[in-house]
Amino acid sequence: ILNVEQSPQSLHVQEGDSTNFTCSFPSSNFYALHWYRWETAKSPEALFVMTLNGDEKKKGRISATLNTKEGYSYLYIKGSQPEDSATYLCAFGDYKLSFGAGTTVTVRA
Amino acid sequence: ETGVTQTPRHLVMGMTNKKSLKCEQHLGHNAMYWYKQSAKKPLELMFVYNFKEQTENNSVPSRFSPECPNSSHLFLHLHTLQPEDSALYLCASSQDPVSPRGPSGEQYFGPGTRLTVT
Repeated sequence: ILNVEQSPQSLHVQEGDSTNFTCSFPSSNFYALHWYRWETAKSPEALFVMTLNGDEKKKGRISATLNTKEGYSYLYIKGSQPEDSATYLCAFGDYKLSFGAGTTVTVRA
Repeated sequence: ETGVTQTPRHLVMGMTNKKSLKCEQHLGHNAMYWYKQSAKKPLELMFVYNFKEQTENNSVPSRFSPECPNSSHLFLHLHTLQPEDSALYLCASSQDPVSPRGPSGEQYFGPGTRLTVT
């Protein structure tokens, strides 16, 4: 089991504000870093799979960066909307993913 | 709709019961996974199947018995469970062939089965 940590555990954001949060993972033997969004009562949904150091990916207002040498990834939400409220999970590994506990984002209208 | 379905969505069973969880993926993927999420804990990988063959058993107790009759279906047979086995059980699938030391593609998750053991 690989140690994957996410911080903060939760955060509240005013609608329209931007926010970001962190995923930390072991910096040795890197394979891939996944980000998932998990809305209440729904299935986790893949956002990004990142494999290269320095990689930056974007989907709409959500983007992510990756630093494999120091073992962290940031997820950014620009101009938060109520529909962005969810738990964001990161996962590290080859096909055997180790998940973090998630960052729960609540966007207040 | 994710293309991965799970039944039942909720299950309450006694410790002496035998039940099965079913997962079906309609995405043509080659690999399927069982995960467990206990209260306030991260998702934990239980089993991995690649082209119907089990490639990973993450030290799961034998009271959990997986079955993968084909690449589209995955079952988790449950017997003599304990109350601490109460959790959300998620199924997932992915396109890429599973191989050690190789990154996998994104996984597609089902909605989960909420299991309560009384």
